[in-house]
Amino acid sequence: EAGVTQSPTHLIKTRGQQATLRCSPISGHTSVYWYQQALGLGLQFLLWYDEGEERNRGNFPPRFSGRQFPNYSSELNVNALELEDSALYLCASSPEDREAFFGQGTRLTVV
Amino acid sequence: GIQVEQSPPDLILQEGANSTLRCNFSDSVNNLQWFHQNPWGQLINLFYIPSGTKQNGRLSATTVATERYSLLYISSSQTTDSGVYFCAVNYGTYKYIFGTGTRLKVLA
Repeated sequence: EAGVTQSPTHLIKTRGQQATLRCSPISGHTSVYWYQQALGLGLQFLLWYDEGEERNRGNFPPRFSGRQFPNYSSELNVNALELEDSALYLCASSPEDREAFFGQGTRLTVV
Repeated sequence: GIQVEQSPPDLILQEGANSTLRCNFSDSVNNLQWFHQNPWGQLINLFYIPSGTKQNGRLSATTVATERYSLLYISSSQTTDSGVYFCAVNYGTYKYIFGTGTRLKVLA
């Protein structure tokens, strides 16, 4: 069974641009979570989607947004990129309120 | 909000040694997971353990939900165990709040 897949693996953007990150959950999982891990730091909760709806978001500005599609895949958009947005972005999926599994991450570099 | 603290923050062991990693949380949680983050950033599931004790090879974990802590035991450590270990708790509508992490280095 395929795990959580994220694309792209690496992304380089210029300050002020927009970045789009994608996540495909494990088949049958309806919840998708996004996390940011800046270099050498812990994982910060960004967004939680379930059944196509945003259920909760962490302490991030509105330029971090996303959506969940009918097939439960998800997209994270970061607008007006800033240098400090450079980080590893991890996506996870789970069935309703159960064990979460993570993808390999997208490493975003803003120059 | 909930606080999730892990100890120790850093740990250096000789190969073959045993260790105990601790995760304390400040409020009741719905469930708890332990992860190992490898050098490439991938989070590997170790245990899904809202309560009780589980074992998987050289690793075992215990969660005492009523006392708000969880322990991860690593026995006969190997160099491949090196990395960062995170616990994460599912708390109300906040999904998987991560602890501060324990950075483990196992020396050959």
